[in-house]
Amino acid sequence: GAVVSQHPSWVICKSGTSVKIECRSLDFQATTMFWYRQFPKQSLMLMATSNEGSKATYEQGVEKDKFLINHASLTLSTLTVTSAHPEDSSFYICSATSGRAMETQYFGPGTRLLVL
Amino acid sequence: GQNIDQPTEMTATEGAIVQINCTYQTSGFNGLFWYQQHAGEAPTFLSYNVLDGLEEKGRFSSFLSRSKGYSYLLLKELQMKDSASYLCAVMDSNYQLIWGAGTKLIIKP
Repeated sequence: GAVVSQHPSWVICKSGTSVKIECRSLDFQATTMFWYRQFPKQSLMLMATSNEGSKATYEQGVEKDKFLINHASLTLSTLTVTSAHPEDSSFYICSATSGRAMETQYFGPGTRLLVL
Repeated sequence: GQNIDQPTEMTATEGAIVQINCTYQTSGFNGLFWYQQHAGEAPTFLSYNVLDGLEEKGRFSSFLSRSKGYSYLLLKELQMKDSASYLCAVMDSNYQLIWGAGTKLIIKP
């Protein structure tokens, strides 16, 4: 099956620093990648959709200057949380599809971010 | 607006059968997904329905009625490892996934 990896799996950082999270599709070409955030006991919240080679589409209420997304290749997308604050502490999950309509999203294992 | 409804929590006994319902109202319909999510982990794909009817996959089955905006996930021969949250998600006319809040399933011995 399709495998998606994320790195790092967890990170602790000081307030004001930037954190980069990588999402890789290991055995397929991901033309579309999604970034989600999930707070405890809540469902997934889509942050943005990124297509390879183009700018990400952000959901309403998500600051694009704070959450920088780069999808430079068909197997890699990165999410950078700039100037992180404690309220950014969350579980960040990426998913990927090969871009065909109605394609199943395959999820990475998630990155747990704790901002002190 | 778009809306996915599923129960917040359900409890069942090991070895029994449980049905988790999901109703939806979305802008268009391009399929309904069920995902399983264990605590602290990312979701894993369980099933996809786009046509009416029942799809069976081992101990898990998923049913869809498009006219009623309704789906259910049926879990048979429950095992303790089935304790997890089950997420219903509908793909709308823009091929965006609309997520339900998830149903936490608690299995008791």
